[in-house]
Amino acid sequence: QKEVEQDPGPLSVPEGAIVSLNCTYSNSAFQYFMWYRQYSRKGPELLMYTYSSGNKEDGRFTAQVDKSSKYISLFIRDSQPSDSATYLCAMSGMESGAGSYQLTFGKGTKLSVIP
Amino acid sequence: DTGVSQDPRHKITKRGQNVTFRCDPISEHNRLYWYRQTLGQGPEFLTYFQNEAQLEKSRLLSDRFSAERPKGSFSTLEIQRTEQGDSAMYLCASSLLGQGFNEQFFGPGTRLTVL
Repeated sequence: QKEVEQDPGPLSVPEGAIVSLNCTYSNSAFQYFMWYRQYSRKGPELLMYTYSSGNKEDGRFTAQVDKSSKYISLFIRDSQPSDSATYLCAMSGMESGAGSYQLTFGKGTKLSVIP
Repeated sequence: DTGVSQDPRHKITKRGQNVTFRCDPISEHNRLYWYRQTLGQGPEFLTYFQNEAQLEKSRLLSDRFSAERPKGSFSTLEIQRTEQGDSAMYLCASSLLGQGFNEQFFGPGTRLTVL
């Protein structure tokens, strides 16, 4: 079992739809939970991060973390064609913990928003 | 452009040849990371530097791989005796060590094809 599991999709939705992306993980030492967006043949760029459990909202994007279930989600409201990309979840431990410097990524979910 | 830069962007080589990639981090960032991403997968951690010291290497980094950051600024990743399995996108990221969350900023990557 990989440390981070993410359904690779592909996921195709109509413009304006609500998109739900999620990851599960097995390492309880993870404390920071991130969502990166990666366009084709580009490097990942950070969308949002959450520390420990809880919700965080930024415009049309909402990130949720449930540490008890080891489950994280990203919701995109009013999806736009420009949101079409691969979305990667990533996790890391605390600064003082082992492996805290490295990110552990999921496989990524390829999203297409159809006009 | 003050982001992370990588050179070259693409490299095609024959099996058995040596290749070297360069990464220039964001200027004040003291941490530098190398990741490898194969098609359909998320990035996987290879190694990281804090200033000029290489502090961790993944077991993915075989003896044929070597990384340096001689003056704590740019870094190079060399692969000796390349194999077809080395074909991947090699991503560099940098961050500034500080309190709390340290965002890793990724470069555009170097895409390696080994024939």
